[in-house]
Amino acid sequence: DAMVIQNPRYQVTQFGKPVTLSCSQTLNHNVMYWYQQKSSQAPKLLFHYYDKDFNNEADTPDNFQSRRPNTSFCFLDIRSPGLGDAAMYLCATSSTHGQGKETQYFGPGTRLLVL
Amino acid sequence: AQKVTQAQTEISVVEKEDVTLDCVYETRDTTYYLFWYKQPPSGELVFLIRRNSFDEQNEISGRYSWNFQKSTSSFNFTITASQVVDSAVYFCALSESRGSTLGRLYFGRGTQLTVWP
Repeated sequence: DAMVIQNPRYQVTQFGKPVTLSCSQTLNHNVMYWYQQKSSQAPKLLFHYYDKDFNNEADTPDNFQSRRPNTSFCFLDIRSPGLGDAAMYLCATSSTHGQGKETQYFGPGTRLLVL
Repeated sequence: AQKVTQAQTEISVVEKEDVTLDCVYETRDTTYYLFWYKQPPSGELVFLIRRNSFDEQNEISGRYSWNFQKSTSSFNFTITASQVVDSAVYFCALSESRGSTLGRLYFGRGTQLTVWP
């Protein structure tokens, strides 16, 4: 089945220790997104890739970076995690073509704990 | 400005009751998309439905139905004969269509639905 996969599902890191979260998709969608979701809140968009073009949200901290080496994979790098970065990180994909365009499909998420 | 309001923060029902989750949106665009997502305790956001602004037909899928009314800018979601497995947070969201340009997804704050056995 076509899907969005996130690894790991749970990640524990230490304060200030860089961490990378990964996302892959088999949907062949040209747009990939990273969201941060804290407890009892709606997902907050951090950035997205439209094909190879990177689009950062204005209020996304510099501590958060992303890489998209190819269509299928996208990574979220947190350079120096703080306690406030503990959250669920959701990856999503969408296509700008076709009948179901612009529908975002989400992965299962990675829960990040910062100690 | 785009905005999605889910006034109900939490709803509790007993199994087999019908429940309606409200969603009211604001947008200046004439072409847009509306969505409902379900987020169970596992955390994954599950896509339920997408509705185009020019298609006001209501939709039914099993126990789920959606009532889209442009006149009141509402896109309400009804679960008939609720089940314990329906317990989740439900998000309503809005996206604007701009041809080939990406439209952002604006989420409501979500409604926590608890279905008791």
